[in-house]
Amino acid sequence: EPEVTQTPSHQVTQMGQEVILRCVPISNHLYFYWYRQILGQKVEFLVSFYNNEISEKSEIFDDQFSVERPDGSNFTLKIRSTKLEDSAMYFCASRGWTGNQPQHFGDGTRLSIL
Amino acid sequence: ELKVEQNPLFLSMQEGKNYTIYCNYSTTSDRLYWYRQDPGKSLESLFVLLSNGAVKQEGRLMASLDTKARLSTLHITAAVHDLSATYFCAVRPGETSGSRLTFGEGTQLTVNP
Repeated sequence: EPEVTQTPSHQVTQMGQEVILRCVPISNHLYFYWYRQILGQKVEFLVSFYNNEISEKSEIFDDQFSVERPDGSNFTLKIRSTKLEDSAMYFCASRGWTGNQPQHFGDGTRLSIL
Repeated sequence: ELKVEQNPLFLSMQEGKNYTIYCNYSTTSDRLYWYRQDPGKSLESLFVLLSNGAVKQEGRLMASLDTKARLSTLHITAAVHDLSATYFCAVRPGETSGSRLTFGEGTQLTVNP
């Protein structure tokens, strides 16, 4: 069964450094998402992406965050200058073209900011 | 702002017993999802509920949706240890393509032998 893949599985970064999280969505999917989950808390929406542009973003997704689909297969989340509170599990998700389908989640990248 | 509330947040039950997890949401929605998450793992889609009165069953789990009451339930029948996980409901509020999912806090289920 096709799946969403994310790399790396764990990223440790010094505060203030830039980090790029990578995702390869399911190949025929059109809608892409990033969510985060702080340890022990619920999953929070960050951003959705469709047709090569952001379709919706949350209040968490400030100027320090950006997304890109550079080559038609990868979907990246960049955090420009990381803060301690960015430490979380980041999940990428994708969905097919019909609204009846669930979002399929990757295994996540655990981001630890020191 | 859409709010999604689950209860209970923690559930410890014995094998063979039945129980129900509740998910309430605050605004109109016609798409509700249930996901399972094992510790340190991703979210696995369990059910997609699309309309009022929808009921879906898979194995020992059955999910239902009442859009008028803004309530979904996840019923566990004759629980087994393998069902131990955290269960999240998530709501998609609008008709807009690509709209966000708002998740509940999750119900951490432990099934004891």
